[in-house]
Amino acid sequence: AQSVAQPEDQVNVAEGNPLTVKCTYSVSGNPYLFWYVQYPNRGLQFLLKYITGDNLVKGSYGFEAEFNKSQTSFHLKKPSALVSDSALYFCAVRLGHSNYQLIWGAGTKLIIKP
Amino acid sequence: DTAVSQTPKYLVTQMGNDKSIKCEQNLGHDTMYWYKQDSKKFLKIMFSYNNKELIINETVPNRFSPKSPDKAHLNLHINSLELGDSAVYFCASSQTSHIPGNEQYFGPGTRLTVT
Repeated sequence: AQSVAQPEDQVNVAEGNPLTVKCTYSVSGNPYLFWYVQYPNRGLQFLLKYITGDNLVKGSYGFEAEFNKSQTSFHLKKPSALVSDSALYFCAVRLGHSNYQLIWGAGTKLIIKP
Repeated sequence: DTAVSQTPKYLVTQMGNDKSIKCEQNLGHDTMYWYKQDSKKFLKIMFSYNNKELIINETVPNRFSPKSPDKAHLNLHINSLELGDSAVYFCASSQTSHIPGNEQYFGPGTRLTVT
């Protein structure tokens, strides 16, 4: 079965430290992978995606993610965390060969402490 | 501003009532979605329309009925509201035809509270 796992419900990081939010997936076909961020009482915002090409993808707000095919992972990273990065982060993967449907992870709450 | 908009932002109603949520996007996208986010923040796809055609219809009670009058609008009507319908409902849109892997753009959400 196709799935996305975000193994950590919450990640705590001190401001200025690097952060990683983990995502692993299981899909058929070539994976199209996405990260979204949700700030409190807001809709989800697209951060970055991997479709093909370079395994290191850069996105909004200084975030990047590394696609690792052998480990079926797509971890979200940022070299230096900001308090304003505190939010809920969702990983998603395209369902099979669908152009429309995504499988969503359960979300990881990122807390950046000053 | 270009965006996905939803009305109303908040909706408080009693059990048994019928209510509608409206969504509009001015991004020129051909596909629109309704999602439900529960109190644990799990995101569940409910429906999707591509060029006004229903393409995703997940296991959702028949009390929920989407309607897409045109590509830019997708409404959600809910009959006989139940306590379990309380959630945040998000509308989203994307451009999908001939362009696989495009991201979805989300509206601000409608917080539905059924009492």
